[in-house]
Amino acid sequence: DVKVTQSSRYLVKRTGEKVFLECVQDMDHENMFWYRQDPGLGLRLIYFSYDVKMKEKGDIPEGYSVSREKKERFSLILESASTNQTSMYLCASSLGTSGGRYEQYFGPGTRLTVT
Amino acid sequence: SQKIEQNSEALNIQEGKTATLTCNYTNYSPAYLQWYRQDPGRGPVFLLLIRENEKEKRKERLKVTFDTTLKQSLFHITASQPADSATYLCALTAWFYGNNRLAFGKGNQVVVIP
Repeated sequence: DVKVTQSSRYLVKRTGEKVFLECVQDMDHENMFWYRQDPGLGLRLIYFSYDVKMKEKGDIPEGYSVSREKKERFSLILESASTNQTSMYLCASSLGTSGGRYEQYFGPGTRLTVT
Repeated sequence: SQKIEQNSEALNIQEGKTATLTCNYTNYSPAYLQWYRQDPGRGPVFLLLIRENEKEKRKERLKVTFDTTLKQSLFHITASQPADSATYLCALTAWFYGNNRLAFGKGNQVVVIP
């Protein structure tokens, strides 16, 4: 079974802090994704990566950056956390580079609260 | 503008009946459509994928249809059980700035009443 793990289930940070969210997948998938999910807004793509050191902006990249130094690991960075970044963050991976043809495997999510 | 629409009202259904969910889309021409299940506080879990040239796909008690003329997918859970209570998301392929990736609907909650 594909396993996608995220470093924390719950995280509380203060405004202005730098926040790192880590995601690891164990199935040698090429594609990795970071989403945030908010009530009434659904899943929104922040960034994705189709290869090591490659990244593409999603729908809402402002205030975020990412890093993919190894194939299995994709990190989301909040450079200076703000209260409007309080959300559920979900990491996902998929096998192929042709989006939609392959299912995505999601991690358990990190519920981040910024106070 | 592009839209993926799922009913925002929860579907309450008696155990044993068939639950039917709808996913309508506008200004997309997806080659694939996927359905996911999400439990509260958890990540979505993939259920089924259907291609544009397939009319219907089944997996155990689940059935998905895909009508590219109507721009609609229907998701059926037959003989529903309380354990089927969850939110179900549809997702379809879309081109964004030169990249082909998934766009998700907001989900439709199902509550199966024993």
